Amino acid sequence: QSALTQPPSASGSPGQSLTISCTGTSSDIGGYNHVSWYQHHPGKAPKLIIYEVSQRPSGVPDRFSGSKSYYTAYLTVSGLQAEDEGDYYCSSYGGSSNLVFGGGTKLTVL
Amino acid sequence: EVQLVESGGGLVQPGESLRLSCAASGFTFSRYWMNWVRQAPGKGLEWVANVDQYESKKTYVDSVKGRFTISRDNAKNSLYLQMNSLRVEDTAVYYCARGTDWPGTDFWGQGILVTVSS
Repeated sequence: QSALTQPPSASGSPGQSLTISCTGTSSDIGGYNHVSWYQHHPGKAPKLIIYEVSQRPSGVPDRFSGSKSYYTAYLTVSGLQAEDEGDYYCSSYGGSSNLVFGGGTKLTVL
Repeated sequence: EVQLVESGGGLVQPGESLRLSCAASGFTFSRYWMNWVRQAPGKGLEWVANVDQYESKKTYVDSVKGRFTISRDNAKNSLYLQMNSLRVEDTAVYYCARGTDWPGTDFWGQGILVTVSS
């Protein structure tokens, strides 16, 4: 039940693209295609933006995309906008009904 | 509109107990797994526990096993977390989160603060 590893921070200018990584193990990301990404603004409810590695819930802009390779999942934000600033968390199924989250990445739009 | 509203948080001393509640609305509560997730100050999210639709399966993170109990009342559209023998390291914002058809969560509440301090 170890946390997934994310970079603590990421930044980009408006209009640029940016990718956040999330590294796990064979017991979580490497073993299942059940990776999710959440956007979190402090004081608010976390918002699901990607599920099942690359699926977008209704209403989430297609600027957000997800992928996975072996033990690492990726969230790409294209055409960065000021409103994209916030904390981003990945999560994965860890087997036996367990979920595991990453430590979070603070995204800053310069 | 899916809504999840947590309540019951507060300041307690180490060793004491607290019961969190989560009131659900906007969806058929009895059809979904439910989860508790927490965030300690300055830290990332940590999944705490989940329960299936029928309360037949409950799963916990190792650090709370034997101290926390998740439960639900489908007639009241409510989820609970009974927290006993609280420790300073249990200090966190606790979120209620709806489970999904795939192993994960979709909708979350805004969270409730639990502070364990002497």
